[in-house]
Amino acid sequence: ETGVTQSPTHLIKTRGQQVTLRCSSQSGHNTVSWYQQALGQGPQFIFQYYREEENGRGNFPPRFSGLQFPNYSSELNVNALELDDSALYLCASSLGGSYGGSTDTQYFGPGTRLTVL
Amino acid sequence: DQQVKQNSPSLSVQEGRISILNCDYTNSMFDYFLWYKKYPAEGPTFLISISSIKDKNEDGRFTVFLNKSAKHLSLHIVPSQPGDSAVYFCAASAIEKLTFGTGTRLTIIP
Repeated sequence: ETGVTQSPTHLIKTRGQQVTLRCSSQSGHNTVSWYQQALGQGPQFIFQYYREEENGRGNFPPRFSGLQFPNYSSELNVNALELDDSALYLCASSLGGSYGGSTDTQYFGPGTRLTVL
Repeated sequence: DQQVKQNSPSLSVQEGRISILNCDYTNSMFDYFLWYKKYPAEGPTFLISISSIKDKNEDGRFTVFLNKSAKHLSLHIVPSQPGDSAVYFCAASAIEKLTFGTGTRLTIIP
């Protein structure tokens, strides 16, 4: 069974640029969630995708957008990068996705470290 | 508004003794609670979870206790081992969105 993978591992961008981060979910999982972890903080929920549809969003501006593909892999896109976007971006996959409460465990990938200069 | 709080940024425990990590939450809608362990340069690794309908869940050396009336949960690790040294995050789930605490760095002293 393949775990959650993310690419790239590290990325350096400049302010105003755009970035795309990628995630492959664990085998059999149809739900992908994205989190941003700033230094010294816990991960913050960005959004979740279930069967290619956005299934919940945290307190992030619209320049953070996502996509899920038919094979349940996912992308996180960030436009007009700002210095504060520098963080570890984590992807997690799970079995569930039904909106309305769930006890499905989310399994995390290793993350992509984004540095914005 | 910090809905999940881990008030101890760090904890040091002697090898072989019990480690107790604590977490408090404010949102009554949380129905599932998890503990994750994180090593540097890695993603969080799932450790153990508990549903809001239970008050205890045990898995090997790890036990999670939930006190709903106090909105408090704790993770007990016994006996503590050097490999347990890591940052531990408490997370709470409502509608599948996980809300994390800020983490507790656990150091096991040989």
